[in-house]
Amino acid sequence: GQNIDQPTEMTATEGAIVQINCTYQTSGFNGLFWYQQHAGEAPTFLSYNVLDGLEEKGRFSSFLSRSKGYSYLLLKELQMKDSASYLCAVRDFKAAGNKLTFGGGTRVLVKP
Amino acid sequence: DAGITQSPRHKVTETGTPVTLRCHQTENHRYMYWYRQDPGHGLRLIHYSYGVKDTDKGEVSDGYSVSRSKTEDFLLTLESATSSQTSVYFCAISESDGESYTFGSGTRLTVV
Repeated sequence: GQNIDQPTEMTATEGAIVQINCTYQTSGFNGLFWYQQHAGEAPTFLSYNVLDGLEEKGRFSSFLSRSKGYSYLLLKELQMKDSASYLCAVRDFKAAGNKLTFGGGTRVLVKP
Repeated sequence: DAGITQSPRHKVTETGTPVTLRCHQTENHRYMYWYRQDPGHGLRLIHYSYGVKDTDKGEVSDGYSVSRSKTEDFLLTLESATSSQTSVYFCAISESDGESYTFGSGTRLTVV
């Protein structure tokens, strides 16, 4: 099975930076995904990491260390609209169906 | 322009009644998934499909069945709804390479 941990909640100030950590345990790692989910809406794709290192997309960056079973999502220049839940998900190549296993999500509250 | 739609968006039903939720895609993706989302549990996989008439169980499949008679439709059935199945249900689709997973808008189901 898989075990994915991320903090439940974080608070940050508009314009600041927030880093959301995700640790995972899996028998056959095959990719880590980050999703954003606003309250009452569907999750939307933010980033995908399969190799070690940093992937940058505008204000959002995602980092992966496979040897440590660790990833983080970095949100820079925070805006009020970034208040949402951020979901870490892992895919295991040993599992059929390309399916993702999700962590519990981190709710980020951006304050003025 | 949504490539994935869920119906209904909201439903209230009584305990013991059968309920079917529909997921429809226009992307011709091979893989389809049903997740449920509850406070404190994140997204949990109920069932998934890797092709027409090819389905398998996820981590929380008890009380649910699925069918996929054509590529574009994936149905989730609660044979006899219980209050513990009150939840938000999300359908997702992915291509064979599994680098992109797209979620539907969700169905909010209340069992009274």
